[in-house]
Amino acid sequence: EVQLVESGGVVVQPGGSLRLSCAASGFTFDDYAMHWVRQAPGKGLEWISFISWDGGSTYYADSVTGRFTISRDNSKNSLFLQMTSLKPEDTALYYCAKDSVYMDVWGKGTTVTVSS
Amino acid sequence: EIVMTQSPDTLSVSPGGSATLSCRASQSVSTNLAWYQQKPGQAPRLLIYGASTRATGIPARFRGGASGTEFTLTISSLQSEDFAVYYCLQYHNWWTFGQGTKVEI
Repeated sequence: EVQLVESGGVVVQPGGSLRLSCAASGFTFDDYAMHWVRQAPGKGLEWISFISWDGGSTYYADSVTGRFTISRDNSKNSLFLQMTSLKPEDTALYYCAKDSVYMDVWGKGTTVTVSS
Repeated sequence: EIVMTQSPDTLSVSPGGSATLSCRASQSVSTNLAWYQQKPGQAPRLLIYGASTRATGIPARFRGGASGTEFTLTISSLQSEDFAVYYCLQYHNWWTFGQGTKVEI
């Protein structure tokens, strides 16, 4: 069974940093690109980042460019999102998702709250 | 940036009835359009990709259509488990979601 499990979400102060992780199983991780998508409380879905299968290509939404960094460790079937200079508007449920050009499999998400 | 606009924001439907959800792209996305279902407290679930191809395990009562930059998701014979929020996603140029349509009783 394809499974994605996110972790690392906590309450952090504005201006702080955080690293999210996503553990993948049930598929050949290094065959697939991956995404991070977030959902603010009571709001819709927002794509925020993409990484190619080998990590050689990365893309970001304007809202997080320069503050967030996506990476992966194919030897550990893991995806990461390094988040810096966090703002209250970054408060959201963060999902990792497997790429098939669109997102075809999603994790359950991890919650990040940016608040003083 | 391609903007995806869904309508209506909320759709009230009776069980057993049908629902037609719309999604309009601000420019051509070809058929690079997917639909997702999200229930409260759950992750989104892929329903349709390529504008009209059902994902694995999705019942035939879910049907996707396309005409130019207008896309539709039609749900027929609505069942209780179909009441949820539905999102469209364009993956033609980067990735952009619509704002969602809530299907309620």
